[in-house]
Amino acid sequence: GAGVSQSPSNKVTEKGKDVELRCDPISGHTALYWYRQSLGQGLEFLIYFQGNSAPDKSGLPSDRFSAERTGGSVSTLTIQRTQQEDSAVYLCASSPFRPGETQYFGPGTRLLVL
Amino acid sequence: QQQVKQSPQSLIVQKGGISIINCAYENTAFDYFPWYQQFPGKGPALLIAIRPDVSEKKEGRFTISFNKSAKQFSLHIMDSQPGDSATYFCAASMQSSYKLIFGSGTRLLVRP
Repeated sequence: GAGVSQSPSNKVTEKGKDVELRCDPISGHTALYWYRQSLGQGLEFLIYFQGNSAPDKSGLPSDRFSAERTGGSVSTLTIQRTQQEDSAVYLCASSPFRPGETQYFGPGTRLLVL
Repeated sequence: QQQVKQSPQSLIVQKGGISIINCAYENTAFDYFPWYQQFPGKGPALLIAIRPDVSEKKEGRFTISFNKSAKQFSLHIMDSQPGDSATYFCAASMQSSYKLIFGSGTRLLVRP
């Protein structure tokens, strides 16, 4: 079946602009995760959704970052007033139900803030 | 205590050789240790995973060795192939938790 999809695949924006990144998880997966991968670095956890609720937002770097999930499916990560240090690959993953299960990753959105 | 330390940062191996990547952790509450493989422009994909009740798990050419007392685990790629050239990430989590704590990654290049 279809895997996790993310859009756009690439995004170039100017410092100070807002951006929205979209994630479509695997159908039926109730858990959804956002990670950030900076150049040459490992993956940094941002936020986790179980259904439409986000029990843990502690990984979000600042209050410029927010995320929502609707209908237990699509999620949007919004970065307001982007800064150059926000440039990274933003990865979304989903898993069937319970924490600790295999997480399936999307291809990521490559964000470049000029 | 939440960190997972991965080494080496990069690795070059000849075709047919053995690739070995090591990871170490501090948090003894971790009980799930996956390895992810990432090709350029793609998201990470689960390669193999282990839980601490076993010391070794093998799937084809890929083997995880786990040393609970040393809080270390490693990935061995036997008969390495050029198609194995990718970045490999170890990770750890608690079964009761939801977030993976990733190592910093190892860029593997397998020369023909």
